[in-house]
Amino acid sequence: GAVVSQHPSRVICKSGTSVKIECRSLDFQATTMFWYRQFPKQSLMLMATSNEGSKATYEQGVEKDKFLINHASLTLSTLTVTSAHPEDSSFYICSVTTGHTGELFFGEGSRLTVL
Amino acid sequence: QKEVEQDPGPLSVPEGAIVSLNCTYSNSAFQYFMWYRQYSRKGPELLMYTYSSGNKEDGRFTAQVDKSSKYISLFIRDSQPSDSATYLCAMSGVVYNFNKFYFGSGTKLNVKP
Repeated sequence: GAVVSQHPSRVICKSGTSVKIECRSLDFQATTMFWYRQFPKQSLMLMATSNEGSKATYEQGVEKDKFLINHASLTLSTLTVTSAHPEDSSFYICSVTTGHTGELFFGEGSRLTVL
Repeated sequence: QKEVEQDPGPLSVPEGAIVSLNCTYSNSAFQYFMWYRQYSRKGPELLMYTYSSGNKEDGRFTAQVDKSSKYISLFIRDSQPSDSATYLCAMSGVVYNFNKFYFGSGTKLNVKP
């Protein structure tokens, strides 16, 4: 299966700062990547779909200016949480799909804590 | 009605037991069905992937899809304490243009030594 690397795995930041999370597809070119958010003991909440070379498609209720997504290459997508606040503290997970088979592979996740 | 329904558990079983995890869904267009295992503070790991109806076996794991009943199952034989995790079902329905997968809420499994 696809190998998806996510970095950093944990980040602690002060309120008001911005944090960037990277998601890399290591063994195939991903035209589409997804970003999810997961609250404790809850399932995955899709935030946005990231398409290489174009603007991300955000889900309803997700602030585009707060969660900046860039998919500059076929192997890298980044999520930047801008002006982070304590309510942004969460587990963020990226995923990639192989497209033709329908399989979805996840990164290891990034735990963000905003103080 | 949610697209995918999954009992959140928790499900507690003794080591060696057979575990049955299930999901129901409402959209008959779903064709791809997946089961993920998620350990605490980690990303979900793809366990089983099935296209359309039928069974698929991989070691101690068996996935079943019954499209007529809109019901999927994951069986774990000879369960081990290391199987203790949250299990998520997921499904999607379009081949080249899907941009969304639907997930169950996850079932927390605890296998007691």
